[in-house]
Amino acid sequence: DGGITQSPKYLFRKEGQNVTLSCEQNLNHDAMYWYRQDPGQGLRLIYYSQIVNDFQKGDIAEGYSVSREKKESFPLTVTSAQKNPTAFYLCASSIDSGPYGYTFGSGTRLTVV
Amino acid sequence: AQSVTQLDSHVSVSEGTPVLLRCNYSSSYSPSLFWYVQHPNKGLQLLLKYTSAATLVKGINGFEAEFKKSETSFHLTKPSAHMSDAAEYFCVFMDSNYQLIWGAGTKLIIKP
Repeated sequence: DGGITQSPKYLFRKEGQNVTLSCEQNLNHDAMYWYRQDPGQGLRLIYYSQIVNDFQKGDIAEGYSVSREKKESFPLTVTSAQKNPTAFYLCASSIDSGPYGYTFGSGTRLTVV
Repeated sequence: AQSVTQLDSHVSVSEGTPVLLRCNYSSSYSPSLFWYVQHPNKGLQLLLKYTSAATLVKGINGFEAEFKKSETSFHLTKPSAHMSDAAEYFCVFMDSNYQLIWGAGTKLIIKP
């Protein structure tokens, strides 16, 4: 079955550490996205990529980094510069950047301990 | 500026009664609008989308939404709530750059 796989489901990080969240899709979608979800708020866009080897900052990119070396993969690194990283992170993909619905992964819950 | 507002943070209904989740948008052009559903600790699933075709859009699981330009609304409805509908629902607006603008979400609670 085609879909998006995010791993791990739960992740704990010590303060000052970088962590990388994995996102893989087998839908042959060109565009991929990373969102952050906090309680009581809508999703906020961190980074997006419309094509391999290219990505753009979203609304809250500070303290995060991404890469897009393969069409299928769009990992997100939460760096130590991100002051409040505890959140639920969602990866999504779409056929292109047009008016279509996105397909979402099941998310990674990151907790700083 | 484009924006989307979900008017209720929580909605509580009894099983078998109608559901109404309200969404208003602000836009200078005819938008693309979506409703997504999220069950606890899960990803999001597309319920339905409006992209300037029929104003009454039917989605999955018996949900539908009506685009009303005069009221700048895109409310989500279902005739009869089921326990499995308990989740958080997001109204989403797609801007002119094809970026999604998310409402804050409405938690739907179903009472037995």
